[in-house]
Parts: sequence; structure tokens; C-alpha cells
Amino acid sequence: SQQGEEDPQALSIQEGENATMNCSYKTSINNLQWYRQNSGRGLVHLILIRSNEREKHSGRLRVTLDTSKKSSSLLITASRAADTASYFCATDWGPDKLIFGTGTRLQVFP
Amino acid sequence: EPEVTQTPSHQVTQMGQEVILRCVPISNHLYFYWYRQILGQKVEFLVSFYNNEISEKSEIFDDQFSVERPDGSNFTLKIRSTKLEDSAMYFCASKGTGPYNEQFFGPGTRLTVL
Repeated sequence: SQQGEEDPQALSIQEGENATMNCSYKTSINNLQWYRQNSGRGLVHLILIRSNEREKHSGRLRVTLDTSKKSSSLLITASRAADTASYFCATDWGPDKLIFGTGTRLQVFP
Repeated sequence: EPEVTQTPSHQVTQMGQEVILRCVPISNHLYFYWYRQILGQKVEFLVSFYNNEISEKSEIFDDQFSVERPDGSNFTLKIRSTKLEDSAMYFCASKGTGPYNEQFFGPGTRLTVL
């Protein structure tokens, strides 16, 4: 199955540090998306990167995509306590569904 | 900014009862989805809906589940006879046209089956 796997499963950092999360997937994709989920809450779309793109920025977020390695990374620079959440990558599987990874739980300590 | 809304935020029901989860997708979107997330697990695709019919469904989406777009704004997920293992967070999502548009998720309905 086309399953995304994130690593690390959990990450704890201090405010101001950078946080890097990685995602791997198994089959070819059209695009890859990153979502954030605060504890017990909904999914917030962060960024979408297309298969023909290698890097994308949005504010403090930087996403890279390496289709040859079937992997993506999400970098959050200058982290804040409010960035504490779970982060998921999701790959598209045809036009109709997203396959989510297992997520990285990020804890940012003030 | 337009957003997907879901009601109720929390639904508690007895095993065997029917529940209907409601969603209002973003108004100009044409693709609609339901996902679920069992506590502590990953988000799982249930069903996609386009042009008033199911376009794809997962193994989870068995005969106990159904979806409907009863009017121009609502999108519902019905579980006919709930089981304990249906307890989860259910997310509705919608997407616009085009091959790269992202899916926007609602805040979720937490379903607890007792």
C-alpha cells in the first residue's frame, strides 16, 4: 500500500530551534501535502508540494521533495511553543484520496 | 476565509444506534471526503464523493456506512448500526477543481459508541 511514514515519531525541542520532520512513501505521487493537528483537533493544511517541485517555502515552513528517494521533509524554523502539534504528510492516491503517514509529535518547550 | 464545518463536535451513542454526521463543505468545492482517526492512530480514508455519487471507498466503508448530499450545501455520513470500534474522530474534507488542489478539512466530529 502507499503508506507514508514519518520520522521521528516524536521530537522535543526548545523554542527558537529548528524542527525537521521526514516522510517517506512507497509509490509515485502527483503531490504531497503536510498537515498539522493540534491535540484532539482537526487537520490544518500547511503546504502542498507538487511532484515536479523540489522545494517550497511558506513563512517559517520549508518543504523539500525528493521523488527519487520517495521522501519529503518539513522544516520549521525558529520554532515557537504554539508549533506544538502532530505533523502528518499525506500523499495523493489518484484523484480521490489522501494516504496519511503516522505523524510526528512535535513538542516545543518555551 | 471559507472553511469546512462539521456538526456535532461530539456525538455519544449506544451500540447499534444510527448516527448521522454532518458537514458543510466549502461552497465552490466539488469533491467531498470522509476520513476517520481512531484515537492515537493515523488518519484513514473512508470515502470520496463527486457529482452526486461515490467515486471511491475504502474497505472500512462497508454496508453500514452511507453518504449523501441532501441539498446544495450539506454532506452527511450515516452509520446505520454503530459498533464499539466505530468510536473515532470523523473528518470531512472538500476540494476544488484541478489536479493539485489541496483538501481542506473540517474540525471533526468525535464519535463515542458505548
